[in-house]
Amino acid sequence: KAGVTQTPRYLIKTRGQQVTLSCSPISGHRSVSWYQQTPGQGLQFLFEYFSETQRNKGNFPGRFSGRQFSNSRSEMNVSTLELGDSALYLCASSLAGRQFFGPGTRLTVL
Amino acid sequence: AQRVTQPEKLLSVFKGAPVELKCNYSYSGSPELFWYVQYSRQRLQLLLRHISRESIKGFTADLNKGETSFHLKKPFAQEEDSAMYYCALRVNSGYSTLTFGKGTMLLVSP
Repeated sequence: KAGVTQTPRYLIKTRGQQVTLSCSPISGHRSVSWYQQTPGQGLQFLFEYFSETQRNKGNFPGRFSGRQFSNSRSEMNVSTLELGDSALYLCASSLAGRQFFGPGTRLTVL
Repeated sequence: AQRVTQPEKLLSVFKGAPVELKCNYSYSGSPELFWYVQYSRQRLQLLLRHISRESIKGFTADLNKGETSFHLKKPFAQEEDSAMYYCALRVNSGYSTLTFGKGTMLLVSP
């Protein structure tokens, strides 16, 4: 099976802009989670979706949002970007308690 | 709230030496513990989980509920073991959400 894919792989934005990241899970996986990875804070949980419903959310401001589609693909959106949003954003799909991670989207905010 | 602590940012050993990567957690219930590994330029991948009680690539980890620890061990380190290792915890079997430690970089020198 193909692994988790994320697009785009790299993104450069300026402060105040908004961005949408996409994640395609492994076929048959209905749970998708998002994490932010930074050198200072490490891996921090953003949100988790299952069957198009957000079932868990991390401690991030409302500027961070997401959704999941009927084919399990997921998107996350960050509005009004800040310099501190520069990070690697990882998506993971899950089956039977095992999470499989994508390669990440590297977001740089200038 | 749950927490995962990896006290060492960097662990440097020689090839053939034993390795122990420490992980302590705080959670009042019965969590599920994982070790993830990230090799250079590769995606984050599951190394092992405590419920499987398996040995992967020579690594083992035992959950010690009394000491709330889940240390990762290998008797003889190999150069190809050099990577970033993350300990993670899941508290709710209904969710896939993981809480990660900050990670330990393992460097194995020849």
